[in-house]
Amino acid sequence: DTAVSQTPKYLVTQMGNDKSIKCEQNLGHDTMYWYKQDSKKFLKIMFSYNNKELIINETVPNRFSPKSPDKAHLNLHINSLELGDSAVYFCASSHAGLVQFFGPGTRLTVL
Amino acid sequence: EDKVVQSPLSLVVHEGDTVTLNCSYEVTNFRSLLWYKQEKKAPTFLFMLTSSGIEKKSGRLSSILDKKELFSILNITATQTGDSAIYLCAVVGTGGGADGLTFGKGTHLIIQP
Repeated sequence: DTAVSQTPKYLVTQMGNDKSIKCEQNLGHDTMYWYKQDSKKFLKIMFSYNNKELIINETVPNRFSPKSPDKAHLNLHINSLELGDSAVYFCASSHAGLVQFFGPGTRLTVL
Repeated sequence: EDKVVQSPLSLVVHEGDTVTLNCSYEVTNFRSLLWYKQEKKAPTFLFMLTSSGIEKKSGRLSSILDKKELFSILNITATQTGDSAIYLCAVVGTGGGADGLTFGKGTHLIIQP
């Protein structure tokens, strides 16, 4: 029944590791997004993906890469994790770029 | 680059009070302005505003947009402790990067019993 789901909810890992966060939406939306929320609760767009077109926020390091196996999924891969990557990552989806619905978030802690 | 400024950043009031949260913005090719409420987890959608002067209302919450002056307000009347949350304002335009929402820093609202 969950509209936008993410796994895992929590992820604790060492610096330098590679990790992935999965996102699935069952709303039939055509666009999916990844956001990063820092410790001050500021939400910032990282990527949007619509019908095979990926739009990247230029401030996002290329260690981050989204991968979409199909329209319902947009997974986030992060290589060579750094301390500054610690944050809560939210997946979201929308239809035609209108209202975005958010997943529950994944809290990533890099040690 | 799109920009959203919310005020106040934090607000503490007593139950029953009415609050007004402010959001001003600069956006390239404005499409819409959205309000979200964030408690412990994900932001949950409250309103989407696209036209000036038309109030959107849901229970004790209401919001209005002024596209000429580039701001929006969110009103909450007869506040309850369950209204305690971070209220986020966001805009959709073409200058936000990655076609996503550009968020303000939020207003942290605390309702005291």
